[in-house]
Amino acid sequence: AQSVTQLGSHVSVSEGALVLLRCNYSSSVPPYLFWYVQYPNQGLQLLLKYTSAATLVKGINGFEAEFKKSETSFHLTKPSAHMSDAAEYFCAVTGRSGDYKLSFGAGTTVTVRA
Amino acid sequence: DGGITQSPKYLFRKEGQNVTLSCEQNLNHDAMYWYRQDPGQGLRLIYYSQIVNDFQKGDIAEGYSVSREKKESFPLTVTSAQKNPTAFYLCASSMGTGRNEQYFGPGTRLTVT
Repeated sequence: AQSVTQLGSHVSVSEGALVLLRCNYSSSVPPYLFWYVQYPNQGLQLLLKYTSAATLVKGINGFEAEFKKSETSFHLTKPSAHMSDAAEYFCAVTGRSGDYKLSFGAGTTVTVRA
Repeated sequence: DGGITQSPKYLFRKEGQNVTLSCEQNLNHDAMYWYRQDPGQGLRLIYYSQIVNDFQKGDIAEGYSVSREKKESFPLTVTSAQKNPTAFYLCASSMGTGRNEQYFGPGTRLTVT
């Protein structure tokens, strides 16, 4: 079964600073990986996804993530944080066959300081 | 506009009552899902359905029931057997293959007292 671990439940960054959110996956076969963002009391919105076409994936709102098989990682980055990036971020993984269930990490809450 | 609607946004019930949460999608997606979200625990899968008239238990199905009579609709009933029903409930849908992302509704916050 696939699973993901998000390192750090809270991250605080200054406006304009780099945002780095860490995600490591556990899977016996190359997985599909996703990053979602959730604003308070709302549903989840897809930021980006990895489906093996390219290891560096660009998403919405200036975010990108790099799939590193050797490190079993899929860390999310944004070069310059905006106040609007304050939200909770979830990494998720699913397998390439079977019932397509997503397994989510526990989430990382990002705070942006002015 | 295509999307997923959940109603109501906020729901209050007394302990011992069953309650049904609505989820409708007009994305023509085959698969639909129900998740429960609690602070610090991420999302946990309650039930999912890959096709009409079929559904499977997720990781925390006890105390919940679902139906899938129409492709567009996947209602979730929280029964009185659910020991700790107060939570944020999210419905999602997808094309049904792993490489396709899930689209989420706005959620229903259920409070049981």
